[in-house]
Amino acid sequence: QVQLQESGPGLVKPSETLSLTCTVSGGSISSYYWSWIRQPPGKGLEWIGYIYHSGYGNYNPSLKSRVTISVDTSKNQFSLKLSSVTAADTAVYYCARDHFPGSYYDYWGQGTLVTVSS
Amino acid sequence: QSALTQPASVSGSRGQSITISCTGASSDVGGYDYVSWYQQHPGKAPKVLIYEVSDRPSGVSHRFSGSKSGITASLTISGLQAEDEADYYCSYCFSKRSSRICVFGTGTKVTVL
Repeated sequence: QVQLQESGPGLVKPSETLSLTCTVSGGSISSYYWSWIRQPPGKGLEWIGYIYHSGYGNYNPSLKSRVTISVDTSKNQFSLKLSSVTAADTAVYYCARDHFPGSYYDYWGQGTLVTVSS
Repeated sequence: QSALTQPASVSGSRGQSITISCTGASSDVGGYDYVSWYQQHPGKAPKVLIYEVSDRPSGVSHRFSGSKSGITASLTISGLQAEDEADYYCSYCFSKRSSRICVFGTGTKVTVL
């Protein structure tokens, strides 16, 4: 059974960079796409971007200038960096396996709340 | 890319059927078959119910079904049960300049009366 676990700081200061890692267990990170999705408190889901094990990926156009998603196949992990954060970036951040083609998320992490505050 | 439009809330009595709509611009949902639906209970991660418009992953109840007509995708829940009370989201991905762009719907809160 594939499991995903997000890790990283729960509190980030405004203008700094948010960094999260998703560790995949129970399966290889190769041959799949992997995505980051976030959900501000009390609001809906927002797609952030995806990456393939080769390093190929794409981002939400509204976040593209601030987002970097990378993959480390040796550790079975992929990571998210979001720069110049503001309070609007406060959200629960989920990592998920992106089943392509089909473009659906079949395995999710439990989510981690990141608060942007000084 | 704007979010797909869903009704904010839908309610129904136990045993009834309800349908949640997901409407996008004609350039996206209408011309693509990669629509998926997710159920999210409070404090939990979303769970996929439907993918590729109408396919169900193994383990998902047959009470959940999906369809698409024109620019509107729909999720129908038959035989509504108490545990179906949750938030539901549609999602759609499309190709733009050889890369995929994905968008979620605005979300629908389902209440079981």
